[in-house]
Amino acid sequence: DARVTQTPRHKVTEMGQEVTMRCQPILGHNTVFWYRQTMMQGLELLAYFRNRAPLDDSGMPKDRFSAEMPDATLATLKIQPSEPRDSAVYFCASGLVLRQGAFYEQYFGPGTRLTVT
Amino acid sequence: RKEVEQDPGPFNVPEGATVAFNCTYSNSASQSFFWYRQDCRKEPKLLMSVYSSGNEDGRFTAQLNRASQYISLLIRDSKLSDSATYLCVCKAAGNKLTFGGGTRVLVKP
Repeated sequence: DARVTQTPRHKVTEMGQEVTMRCQPILGHNTVFWYRQTMMQGLELLAYFRNRAPLDDSGMPKDRFSAEMPDATLATLKIQPSEPRDSAVYFCASGLVLRQGAFYEQYFGPGTRLTVT
Repeated sequence: RKEVEQDPGPFNVPEGATVAFNCTYSNSASQSFFWYRQDCRKEPKLLMSVYSSGNEDGRFTAQLNRASQYISLLIRDSKLSDSATYLCVCKAAGNKLTFGGGTRVLVKP
């Protein structure tokens, strides 16, 4: 069955290094979300796209984070430079919105577990 | 204060028992509500939507109280496989979902 895929599943990197996380949404879905989950903060929305256009990235630290959708099958989240406080699980989710405000389900990918030392 | 608040638990539940827990939300403009389930080290998955009239899905019952701004989830005849973290989710205008911190449920034999 169709699933959201994310790579890498695990990433350990040193402070200051660039980190790129990738997401392949479910084919046909027109919205993509990036979330970060930590024990302290829970699940936080970082950014979301509809039809590849960024609609909201207010939850994302602008100085070091960037999110893009080069095409409909790929979403990327980059952190440069990475810091230890960025250690978290980063989830991508996708959904299909047919009209504004309509209910739809967000399907989550398995997440990328990032550790910055 | 967080926009969506939940008791983190854990709720320790004997197998076969009933457990219920609430979630409060502060945004009165919230339009839609959901419960997601998240197993340990896994991604969240939609459990059920919450309708104004209350709704049931098998052993799970969800209720919404708009006046007091809370939603609830009740699990009857708990199974060991119900052990998970249950995330309360609210949606205001637009497509953004706001997640609560989750309530952890442990069902024990």
